[in-house]
Amino acid sequence: DPKIIQKPKYLVAVTGSEKILICEQYLGHNAMYWYRQSAKKPLEFMFSYSYQKLMDNQTASSRFQPQSSKKNHLDLQITALKPDDSATYFCASSQRGNNQAPLFGEGTRLSVL
Amino acid sequence: GEQVEQRPPHLSVREGDSAIIICTYTDSATAYFSWYKQEAGAGLQLLMSVLSNVDRKEEQGLTVLLNKKDKRLSLNLTAAHPGDSAVYFCAVAYNTNTGKLTFGDGTVLTVKP
Repeated sequence: DPKIIQKPKYLVAVTGSEKILICEQYLGHNAMYWYRQSAKKPLEFMFSYSYQKLMDNQTASSRFQPQSSKKNHLDLQITALKPDDSATYFCASSQRGNNQAPLFGEGTRLSVL
Repeated sequence: GEQVEQRPPHLSVREGDSAIIICTYTDSATAYFSWYKQEAGAGLQLLMSVLSNVDRKEEQGLTVLLNKKDKRLSLNLTAAHPGDSAVYFCAVAYNTNTGKLTFGDGTVLTVKP
């Protein structure tokens, strides 16, 4: 069974709309991340959260907002969607402080028309 | 800044041959290094992770070498088989507080029977 669950697997949206990408991890990790993979930038760090607190934000646009309702949840809300936002968004998690490499979910493939 | 260069972008080998992928990085302040495998349409699978104070690590047909003097990291797949065909990414952890990984651009490995 997958230990990092991302929903949905595929998502199609129209320009200007808003979507929420869901991520839950059942590994007992205390840190969660979002990465983006597109044709232009293969794997790009977006955010890191630990104990529901933002640790690092490398996303220039405020249209991308992480939301953490529980320690093992880190959703990603994207507003005013643009075609350039089309990418695969990966959620990952790790045990912070152990020099432990993150494990990744299967990703949500977003297409903005 | 934190940059990682990965080469070659494409690599084709025969079954049973070795495949070597190399990454170079710019900043000496590193915590650990990781290698990931991504099969078509799938997420990233963690292959191996090495701490900055480790020069060599071998696991299940994979060898990772770290040359800190030259700031070079390599992954050697010995006796590759068609199931190893995938995209391989190196990743460097510069800041374990935030958990951010900086990825190389990936190597598309094709193993021909």
